[in-house]
Amino acid sequence: GESVGLHLPTLSVQEGDNSIINCAYSNSASDYFIWYKQESGKGPQFIIDIRSNMDKRQGQRVTVLLNKTVKHLSLQIAATQPGDSAVYFCAENRAGANSKLTFGKGITLSVRP
Amino acid sequence: DTAVSQTPKYLVTQMGNDKSIKCEQNLGHDTMYWYKQDSKKFLKIMFSYNNKELIINETVPNRFSPKSPDKAHLNLHINSLELGDSAVYFCASSPRTGAGYTFGSGTRLTVV
Repeated sequence: GESVGLHLPTLSVQEGDNSIINCAYSNSASDYFIWYKQESGKGPQFIIDIRSNMDKRQGQRVTVLLNKTVKHLSLQIAATQPGDSAVYFCAENRAGANSKLTFGKGITLSVRP
Repeated sequence: DTAVSQTPKYLVTQMGNDKSIKCEQNLGHDTMYWYKQDSKKFLKIMFSYNNKELIINETVPNRFSPKSPDKAHLNLHINSLELGDSAVYFCASSPRTGAGYTFGSGTRLTVV
């Protein structure tokens, strides 16, 4: 079966440091990957996505890296801020008429002042 | 204006009751979804509708019945509520299946 998983349940970083959140996926047919951020009491919010024909994509302070060889996805957050404290999810999708996002388990990022 | 809005935000009810959660999106998206998030924050898809037609039903008990009167609305009705139904339910929409999801802020259902 397909699954998307995160290596660590929690991550604590010092404000100003860079954060790296890792994710493994098992479905080699997945062609689209997304990172979501969920703050307390809110729904998941899109951060950045990447398609399988790319290995890196950059946004504002965030970078997503995709390694299809080992089925690994990572989210890098530069100069982590207190507002980055949240639960982060990776999600994967496979193209098709009835495609759907499959979410990983979520990792809590805690930023120390 | 909220892009994907759910009501109510909180719902506390007794076992055996029937309840509904409503969802509306003003993004003009064709596809809408219901996800369930458990106490460990795991998000699992329940249903997906595309242009008012059911396209995904992830082995959800038939006590759960989604209804889409038009492509901007997807409601979730739950019969005979059980303790295990307690969770946060998220509605989402996307312009097409599998891409560009926008989530609502969730409905926290507590069954007592």
